[in-house]
Amino acid sequence: GENVEQHPSTLSVQEGDSAVIKCTYSDSASNYFPWYKQELGKGPQLIIDIRSNVGEKKDQRIAVTLNKTAKHFSLHITETQPEDSAVYFCAAWDTGGFKTIFGAGTRLFVKA
Amino acid sequence: EAGVAQSPRYKIIEKRQSVAFWCNPISGHATLYWYQQILGQGPKLLIQFQNNGVVDDSQLPKDRFSAERLKGVDSTLKIQPAKLEDSAVYLCASSLSGLTDTQYFGPGTRLTVL
Repeated sequence: GENVEQHPSTLSVQEGDSAVIKCTYSDSASNYFPWYKQELGKGPQLIIDIRSNVGEKKDQRIAVTLNKTAKHFSLHITETQPEDSAVYFCAAWDTGGFKTIFGAGTRLFVKA
Repeated sequence: EAGVAQSPRYKIIEKRQSVAFWCNPISGHATLYWYQQILGQGPKLLIQFQNNGVVDDSQLPKDRFSAERLKGVDSTLKIQPAKLEDSAVYLCASSLSGLTDTQYFGPGTRLTVL
């Protein structure tokens, strides 16, 4: 089945800097990669996703890149703001199990 | 549009007791998921319904966990008897139809087993 590794587990940046979170996956047939943001006391919320037919997708300050050959994908947040502080999860579609497999999460701190 | 509703938000029980969680998905969403999120980890799928039918329950500990989805809408997840290691947040999510459609999560139920 699919296995998703996520790094780093904790990331601290200054306001205005960029933040990068990286994930690897094991299922070479996987074709859907969502990213979720989870704030304290809330459920995860989808912030961006990418499908395997594209290599990059942007939405304002957030971008995701996908390298299918290397089986890794990354989340890039530019011009970070204190409200970006949260736990971010990457995920990948398990084509054998027909379910989404989540990484362990990255706790992002943005210092004002 | 109303989001996914879950209740209760918090529950504290002693081991060997039973507990039930309730979920009301977004109106019109055919697919419903129950996840277990242990502190410091990502959500782990327990069971997935499409309308009334179970799509996947391979990671549901069936000796103690059960779930049902009534009339393809609301769902309940039950644990009986609870163990200490069941302490976690139980998240319900729903999606429109396809299994790779966007999943919308509820706020979760935090369960503490003493």
